[in-house]
Amino acid sequence: GAGVSQSPSNKVTEKGKDVELRCDPISGHTALYWYRQSLGQGLEFLIYFQGNSAPDKSGLPSDRFSAERTGGSVSTLTIQRTQQEDSAVYLCASSRPPGYGYTFGSGTRLTVV
Amino acid sequence: RKEVEQDPGPFNVPEGATVAFNCTYSNSASQSFFWYRQDCRKEPKLLMSVYSSGNEDGRFTAQLNRASQYISLLIRDSKLSDSATYLCVVGGDTGNMLTFGGGTRLMVKP
Repeated sequence: GAGVSQSPSNKVTEKGKDVELRCDPISGHTALYWYRQSLGQGLEFLIYFQGNSAPDKSGLPSDRFSAERTGGSVSTLTIQRTQQEDSAVYLCASSRPPGYGYTFGSGTRLTVV
Repeated sequence: RKEVEQDPGPFNVPEGATVAFNCTYSNSASQSFFWYRQDCRKEPKLLMSVYSSGNEDGRFTAQLNRASQYISLLIRDSKLSDSATYLCVVGGDTGNMLTFGGGTRLMVKP
């Protein structure tokens, strides 16, 4: 597609449930990133995929968070046993390498109740 | 020290004013530099890349000072629609991984 697509756009879940967030990057973009942003806060890096290289998982806040990228395209971010502090907007971005700017998706707003 | 630092603001300016934001970065090996704009409750969008020689896009001028490790964004003739948060973004020596500053909030008033 023309842009980065994320789904769902909004997700409300009960504390303790697992959630999956999906990102479909721009075709041909080999780099894919996940960030999250809490209300009024800056972007928090979560994980980065580049081609077939091992992902940079250094930003994942706990072992409840995991992500995969299948076939170098679509990525899924999974949060297990969600907590209220996980509530945030989860943003996916993709880019061509190297040194190009990112294009962001419109995000998934996750609310844990 | 944060890798990319910005004054969070807010900068409150009247329409038509000229406003400038600075951003400092800590990694001297950084290779790529950008300004992003983020509107309230929206995703960040690329405003402009920043080149060593400086570059201009309409009312917006970006400059890079490698020696002092800072980037600037100048907005001339501010419009109400310029009200947003401006994010300074720096790419590391590997080029691909970008680090975002916390953003500077601009509010343009009538």
